[in-house]
Amino acid sequence: DVQVVESGGGLVHPGGSLRLSCEASGFTFSTYSMNWVRQAPGKGLEWVSYISGGSATVYYAASVKGRFTISRDNAKNSLYLQMHSLRAEDTAVYYCASLNSAYWYFDLWGRGTLVSVSS
Amino acid sequence: NFILTQPHSVSASPGKTVTISCTGSSGSIASNYVQWYQQRPGSAPTIVIYEDNQRPSGVPDRFSGSIDSSSNSASLTISGLKTEDEAAYYCQSYDSSNYWVFGGGTKLTVL
Repeated sequence: DVQVVESGGGLVHPGGSLRLSCEASGFTFSTYSMNWVRQAPGKGLEWVSYISGGSATVYYAASVKGRFTISRDNAKNSLYLQMHSLRAEDTAVYYCASLNSAYWYFDLWGRGTLVSVSS
Repeated sequence: NFILTQPHSVSASPGKTVTISCTGSSGSIASNYVQWYQQRPGSAPTIVIYEDNQRPSGVPDRFSGSIDSSSNSASLTISGLKTEDEAAYYCQSYDSSNYWVFGGGTKLTVL
């Protein structure tokens, strides 16, 4: 099956750190740009970060720049999001999503992993 | 900041047609393609329209997209509404400063 599966979410105190993972299967992971998109409880979608297939290009939303780091290991078919200095407003379901290589829309999404930042 | 504005909610009866708007805050919405995603409760989003008006395979032709440059807006139209269409719909575009931008989402209720 073609899928991506996120993991690593949980409860963390403000100022803490967390590392999310996304494991891909069923497609040639290294040829796809990947993204993290988050959704706060009851709220809309917010793009968080992008990484190209070979990791040469990364982008971040202004809200996370300097605190979050996206990376990938193509040998392990895995995408990561290292999050530092977490804030209450980072509380959300974090989705891993591939970018359609021809039309640049988010075409394969995981089920998400919940990150809760609270004291 | 580039912002996409959607109505918070819309509703219509089964069999009817509904249109959801997505208005760009600045520049021309026609400068970059608009995508539309459907998100049913408890599920991840799925694409229903890409590049303003293209349907991925598997999306019924009841779904259509358009751009109106005069109002700097994009629209998603769903005809022949079915109860299964009840979901949140998000428009999304691209901005050179903010990269991928989503609208706030519109909850569609099929009464």
